[in-house]
This record gives sequence, structure tokens and C-alpha cells, in this order.
Amino acid sequence: SAVISQKPSRDICQRGTSLTIQCQVDSQVTMMFWYRQQPGQSLTLIATANQGSEATYESGFVIDKFPISRPNLTFSTLTVSNMSPEDSSIYLCSAREGGDGELFFGEGSRLTVL
Amino acid sequence: SQQGEEDPQALSIQEGENATMNCSYKTSINNLQWYRQNSGRGLVHLILIRSNEREKHSGRLRVTLDTSKKSSSLLITASRAADTASYFCATDFNQAGTALIFGKGTTLSVSS
Repeated sequence: SAVISQKPSRDICQRGTSLTIQCQVDSQVTMMFWYRQQPGQSLTLIATANQGSEATYESGFVIDKFPISRPNLTFSTLTVSNMSPEDSSIYLCSAREGGDGELFFGEGSRLTVL
Repeated sequence: SQQGEEDPQALSIQEGENATMNCSYKTSINNLQWYRQNSGRGLVHLILIRSNEREKHSGRLRVTLDTSKKSSSLLITASRAADTASYFCATDFNQAGTALIFGKGTTLSVSS
């Protein structure tokens, strides 16, 4: 099973700034995803991070606001740009080793925007 | 958009009792998975059931799937205080390894 490390684990940010979250997997994985979990809510898929190409975004999420990189099979970053208090959430990185099995999750990055 | 709807939204029981959570979904699936999330932590995979399976067991967990009703249930037997967490069902539409779509979750509280 894959082990996923995310950093930062939490941060307090000022309105209008940007923050990049890093996600490192301890093994090569086929697919990586970014989810958002607003306080007390379920997970919402932001995008699929594609290795070596542009991410695939879900409805309601755009590249200018949430640029994503995936330079190789073990690493991805998510940037939350021009933050507002509405962006205060837990951002979760997840990965799939291949096929249709389980998702592995990082511990999440809890962002608070003031 | 979210695919699954769990009920109840919240469940409080005593240690030793059984906990049942239900999940309904809207479209055909390849498999359905259940995850647990302890407060402030990442999600942990519990069990996966495929569309051609009706029931699956793992330790104290029992999952059923009724594709005709587009519903699944998760039963935790002999609950423990350590089972206190949020539980989510997640649906997988195809075999291509796409992302899972998560339901709204059930918050389970087990008191000793």
C-alpha cells in the first residue's frame, strides 16, 4: 500500500495570498487526485493530477485558482491562489496504484484563511 | 456532484451495540467502497465491494450491495469507542482507475 505525505499539515494564511501544498508518495502510482473537504462536509474532487500534462479539473474548479503540477509518478503539488476565507478547508491528496482498487490518502492540509 | 447519500447523518450508540449505515447512489457503478475518517485525519479504506457481489465481510464489518436499489449498507458489529469516526461511501464508475465520488458521510459516536 502507498504511504502519502502532505505538507504543510496546517497553515494560517492571509487573504489574497497563495499557498502550495506538496504531496509525496512513497511508491510510483498510476493516478493522483486532489480533494477538498470543507468544515463538516464530505470530500469534493478538485482535479486529477496527470503526470507530465495539465490536470483535469472538475466542474467548479479552474486552473487559475488551483494550479496543479505532477512532474513524476510520486509527486504532486496543489496551489490555492488568491485565497479568500471561503477557501478555508482541508485539502487532501490521494493516489491509486492502478486499476479500480482503493484510494490512499494523505493526512490532509488544513488551511485557514483570515 | 456527490453521488452517494448516507443515512443517518449522525448515529450515537453504546459500546457493544451494532451500527448500521446506509448509502444510496444514482448511477451504475463498477464498485463501491467504504472509508473511515477520524477527526482531523485522512481517510482510511475499509472495504470494497464490486457490482457483481452482494455481501462482503472484513472482521467486524459487513457490507451489502443491492444494485437494483442502488444502495449499500455498512454494519459494524460489537462497536467500540475507537470506532467513533465519520464513515463515507464512495462510488467508482468504471475500471479505468478514475477518482471516487464520495457521499456525505455518517458521523458515528460510540460511548463507553
